[in-house]
Amino acid sequence: QKEVEQDPGPLSVPEGAIVSLNCTYSNSAFQYFMWYRQYSRKGPELLMYTYSSGNKEDGRFTAQVDKSSKYISLFIRDSQPSDSATYLCASMNRDDKIIFGKGTRLHILP
Amino acid sequence: DTGVSQDPRHKITKRGQNVTFRCDPISEHNRLYWYRQTLGQGPEFLTYFQNEAQLEKSRLLSDRFSAERPKGSFSTLEIQRTEQGDSAMYLCASSRVAAPYEQYFGPGTRLTVT
Repeated sequence: QKEVEQDPGPLSVPEGAIVSLNCTYSNSAFQYFMWYRQYSRKGPELLMYTYSSGNKEDGRFTAQVDKSSKYISLFIRDSQPSDSATYLCASMNRDDKIIFGKGTRLHILP
Repeated sequence: DTGVSQDPRHKITKRGQNVTFRCDPISEHNRLYWYRQTLGQGPEFLTYFQNEAQLEKSRLLSDRFSAERPKGSFSTLEIQRTEQGDSAMYLCASSRVAAPYEQYFGPGTRLTVT
């Protein structure tokens, strides 16, 4: 079992819809949880990070972590075609190494 | 600051040749990381530096791979005797020591071994 599991998609939603992206993780020692966005043939771009459980909001993006169920979520409101990308969830424990999921490919349909 | 830069962006080489990649981190970042990403996968950790010191290397990093950060600024990743399995995107990231969870990535170097 990989330490961070993520459905690869693709996930297609109409423009303006709310997008829900999810991951699970297995290592209870993970303390930080990150979401990265990666456009084709580009490097990953840090969207948000969260420490421990809880919610964090930044504009149209909300990250949510539930440590009791080891579940990580990213919500995108009012989705735009420019949000079409691969979204990578990631976790980090005390050794400062980031473990990434495989990424979910998202398509926003105009 | 323009962020993390990597050079070259693309490299095509023949099997058995040596290649070297360069990464310039964000100037105030003491930590520098190397990752490898293959198609359909997330980035996988290879190694990282704090200033000049290489603090950890992944088991993925075979003896053919070596990384340096001689003056605590830019870093190089060398692959000797390349194999077709080395074909991947090599990503560099940097962070502050106090915020290792906040890593900023460069555009990557895409390596193709023929």
